[in-house]
Amino acid sequence: QVALTQSPSASASLGASVKLTCILSSGHSNYAIAWHQQQPEKGPRYLMKLNSDGSHNKGDGIPDRFSGSSSGAERYLTISSLQSEDEADYYCQTWGAGIQVFGGGTKLTVL
Amino acid sequence: QVQLVESGGGLVQPGGSLRLSCAASGFTFSSYDMHWVRQAPGKGLEWVAFIRSDGSSKHYADSVKGRFTISRDNSKNTLYVQMNSLRAEDTAVYYCAKDLDIDVWGTGTTVTVSS
Repeated sequence: QVALTQSPSASASLGASVKLTCILSSGHSNYAIAWHQQQPEKGPRYLMKLNSDGSHNKGDGIPDRFSGSSSGAERYLTISSLQSEDEADYYCQTWGAGIQVFGGGTKLTVL
Repeated sequence: QVQLVESGGGLVQPGGSLRLSCAASGFTFSSYDMHWVRQAPGKGLEWVAFIRSDGSSKHYADSVKGRFTISRDNSKNTLYVQMNSLRAEDTAVYYCAKDLDIDVWGTGTTVTVSS
């Protein structure tokens, strides 16, 4: 069964860029994933679907500062020009045969 | 505007039951697979259950299998989950979610299992 691995935490300075990573388990490098953002005390928000070739489809209203890319079994979320409201938990998610899997989430701190 | 609004959460004693509902609007509900996802206090997201668009296929997380039942009424644009034999570890915010890549999340409803 597919599994997703995320680093528990990341940090970057206001106005800088940060690249978050989600790693698919062995044998699942062709899977698409989705990225979700959860700001403090709020529900999750869909950011984008990210395919294995790096193509991605962002949700409505998601700023251009958010982009996705892929390399092998790794899926990335890059946030440029970091703003204070980007401080949040970021989850990757994938699916197969009716099963959904979430990564453990990365807590992003904006310094 | 695409919207999912959950209801039915509350405080229930261990061993009790609860039924959550999720009212969908702004899209053709009957065309989309749906899920329930939960988040325990201070924890990450946990997938709970899946139902195909026409209700023909259902899947459950091992943690709820045999206790929770997902269903839908496409004529009412509503998703349900019947939760029986509730345990303290089922305490969480429960979200309904749309489609395989979960492109829409509900607002969440809180379930607390405690005596």
